[in-house]
Amino acid sequence: GDSVTQTEGQVALSEEDFLTIHCNYSASGYPALFWYVQYPGEGPQFLFRASRDKEKGSSRGFEATYNKEATSFHLQKASVQESDSAVYYCALTLIASSSFSKLVFGQGTSLSVVP
Amino acid sequence: NAGVIQTPRHKVTGKGQEATLWCEPISGHSAVFWYRQTIVQGLEFLTYFRNQAPIDDSGMPKERFSAQMPNQSHSTLKIQSTQPQDSAVYLCASSPRTGGGNTLYFGEGSRLIVV
Repeated sequence: GDSVTQTEGQVALSEEDFLTIHCNYSASGYPALFWYVQYPGEGPQFLFRASRDKEKGSSRGFEATYNKEATSFHLQKASVQESDSAVYYCALTLIASSSFSKLVFGQGTSLSVVP
Repeated sequence: NAGVIQTPRHKVTGKGQEATLWCEPISGHSAVFWYRQTIVQGLEFLTYFRNQAPIDDSGMPKERFSAQMPNQSHSTLKIQSTQPQDSAVYLCASSPRTGGGNTLYFGEGSRLIVV
């Protein structure tokens, strides 16, 4: 079945550090790729998405580039802040022109940023 | 615009009792999804509706779990004879009509504790 793998379970950084969270996927068809962020006591919030090879998605200083050859969609941010502390999820859904399909999530990466 | 509304936010129920969780999707959204979140399993897809019709319930436990969407403004997830292993955060999400690769917008979740 379709799956998403996030390499890091936990990441601990200091403010202004560079962030990379690795995401690789396996899909039976052509996927759209997503990043979601979840704060304690809340549901996952949509961060951004990319739908085709080499497309870059970005929001709030975070970015990721769809790499079809490497089957990857790694999340990066140049300078993290304490307020970025949260759990980050990579996800995919298969693209079909007229139908909806479920999101498949990775296991999540817990980011902790200290001042 | 109001987001996805889930009630109750917290529910404690005794083993063997019934639990019903409610979801009000974002107005105008065509699809409603239910997910279950636990520390061990992460975010698990349960079921989804498109224009109120059930489309995919492949993630639903075959016994005791049922979901309905009687009108476009709400969906329910019912768990009969609850067991301790049903303890989780149940998340509802809705999705607008998009052309391929739909984005899901989540509510804050309903935390169910079975004692």
